[in-house]
Amino acid sequence: IAGITQAPTSQILAAGRRMTLRCTQDMRHNAMYWYRQDLGLGLRLIHYSNTAGTTGKGEVPDGYSVSRANTDDFPLTLASAVPSQTSVYFCASSARGDTGELFFGEGSRLTVL
Amino acid sequence: GQNIDQPTEMTATEGAIVQINCTYQTSGFNGLFWYQQHAGEAPTFLSYNVLDGLEEKGRFSSFLSRSKGYSYLLLKELQMKDSASYLCAFLDSNYQLIWGAGTKLIIKP
Repeated sequence: IAGITQAPTSQILAAGRRMTLRCTQDMRHNAMYWYRQDLGLGLRLIHYSNTAGTTGKGEVPDGYSVSRANTDDFPLTLASAVPSQTSVYFCASSARGDTGELFFGEGSRLTVL
Repeated sequence: GQNIDQPTEMTATEGAIVQINCTYQTSGFNGLFWYQQHAGEAPTFLSYNVLDGLEEKGRFSSFLSRSKGYSYLLLKELQMKDSASYLCAFLDSNYQLIWGAGTKLIIKP
């Protein structure tokens, strides 16, 4: 089934640890995104990539990094996790970077203690 | 600046009609989007408006007034499965989505 796969679905980690959230899509979409969703707040864009080999910063990029080595994969790395990064993280993709019709992965629930 | 606002929670009765409003302010606008998100799940795309007027898609319709910075999502013949959060978002001048916090819709039998 075509779509976006995120891993892990849930993770608890200690503050200061490094963590990579994985995201893979098989729809050959050009654009990919990482959002975080916190209670009472709208989805907030962390980083995005409009095409393989390029990335950009979103609204809340501090403490996160991404890479886009190929079309399908867009991992998100927390170099040194802090409790304020406890959130649900959604990876999404779209056919182009100028459309708002996004396809979301199922989310990764991250708890930093 | 940019902002977007929608009610936090609404309650409606099965079989009825409900309208979820969304207001926004932005200097650049490239479309208004509605997404549905069931609890614990991913958001899924519902509708897109870029021109003023009503877009109908089955039981769901979405309306846009660009001059008023206003949109609504209309859900008819409500079913229990429509219990979800409904997210409003606009595409800004940089083609980035700006999201509202979502409206949690509770359907009662």
